[in-house]
Amino acid sequence: ILNVEQSPQSLHVQEGDSTNFTCSFPSSNFYALHWYRWETAKSPEALFVMTLNGDEKKKGRISATLNTKEGYSYLYIKGSQPEDSATYLCAYTSGTYKYIFGTGTRLKVLA
Amino acid sequence: EAQVTQNPRYLITVTGKKLTVTCSQNMNHEYMSWYRQDPGLGLRQIYYSMNVEVTDKGDVPEGYKVSRKEKRNFPLILESPSPNQTSLYFCASSGRMDNEQFFGPGTRLTVL
Repeated sequence: ILNVEQSPQSLHVQEGDSTNFTCSFPSSNFYALHWYRWETAKSPEALFVMTLNGDEKKKGRISATLNTKEGYSYLYIKGSQPEDSATYLCAYTSGTYKYIFGTGTRLKVLA
Repeated sequence: EAQVTQNPRYLITVTGKKLTVTCSQNMNHEYMSWYRQDPGLGLRQIYYSMNVEVTDKGDVPEGYKVSRKEKRNFPLILESPSPNQTSLYFCASSGRMDNEQFFGPGTRLTVL
């Protein structure tokens, strides 16, 4: 059974802190790894889609790296702001159009 | 505006009463998918469609049906809903697997 694990499950950080979380996924048959940001009462919004080993993506203060050989991706947030508070989801696909999502990391940024 | 729409947004129904949740996208995407979200569990894929008339099961297809007669629409059908199908449902679409998925606003379904 394919499994995607995210850690930590939740964390609280102070405004201005930098933080990072992990997504672990099967290293075999890898096709793409997606990161989504999901705010309460809204729907998930895509942050990054990563396909190549060693990929690094950046959007503003948020960046992500990908290691397909060992099956993990890191999401970094630099200088966290209260508006960064959300659940961050990752999803793995092996190329069959099946997506397997992790349970997410719930981030709370305290002002 | 590029978007995925779902209807209804909220629905309370009773066991056994057939229902359909509609999903429509205006981005000419080939790929569409249905997910359910339950507390403590990640988004779980119910069914997906790679193109018109091409659908396949996700991880939790039991109790659901789908159809893809037109590119823009991908309805989710519950022939005989049961309380364990009470959940938050999302429809999503994308152009390709290495493209981002666009999610609809969600449908909160309660089956009594």
